[in-house]
Amino acid sequence: DAKTTQPNSMESNEEEPVHLPCNHSTISGTDYIHWYRQLPSQGPEYVIHGLTSNVNNRMASLAIAEDRKSSTLILHRATLRDAAVYYCILRAQGGSEKLVFGKGTKLTVNP
Amino acid sequence: NAGVMQNPRHLVRRRGQEARLRCSPMKGHSHVYWYRQLPEEGLKFMVYLQKENIIDESGMPKERFSAEFPKEGPSILRIQQVVRGDSAAYFCASSDREKLFFGSGTQLSVL
Repeated sequence: DAKTTQPNSMESNEEEPVHLPCNHSTISGTDYIHWYRQLPSQGPEYVIHGLTSNVNNRMASLAIAEDRKSSTLILHRATLRDAAVYYCILRAQGGSEKLVFGKGTKLTVNP
Repeated sequence: NAGVMQNPRHLVRRRGQEARLRCSPMKGHSHVYWYRQLPEEGLKFMVYLQKENIIDESGMPKERFSAEFPKEGPSILRIQQVVRGDSAAYFCASSDREKLFFGSGTQLSVL
């Protein structure tokens, strides 16, 4: 049911920026783009979400393509603690519906 | 604000026994979601509840599994007559309508 496509895995070095891509070519006009991550042996954690404009918060930045068919989660300086599986999920505006998790991208951060 | 509380963290049951997993949502949240994660697999939605109502149970197995979220007290996920295939991490989340906040999960092991 997941309507997004992400690479299975990516690797980064500590203190370098990381760009995690997500394709969502069938996105509808009312779908928000959400990112969650799951650290080993923990529950998922909200990272960021957006609709059309780029978004920044203390954890990351979200860059959304003009046609909204793709987006990129940006971690500005990766730390070892950022090693996790990152999930890109579409969720309807104002919805309380469930999140449908795909396989996500497993990010490895090298010291 | 306390986060989403799940207990127990670890639960061991023998085949045929009952498992009860508890989830206390964040203060003020009236929406609860349950997810299951089998070893080395992704998160699978099970059920979505609001106070005293099941809204979406499309991910619940047809037999042995039930969930409730009473007016007072935590949400309960109940698994009757557990089998080895029920061994998994069970996560619950509560929502402020914008994003989901997950607990640390209950690891169920069936011997």
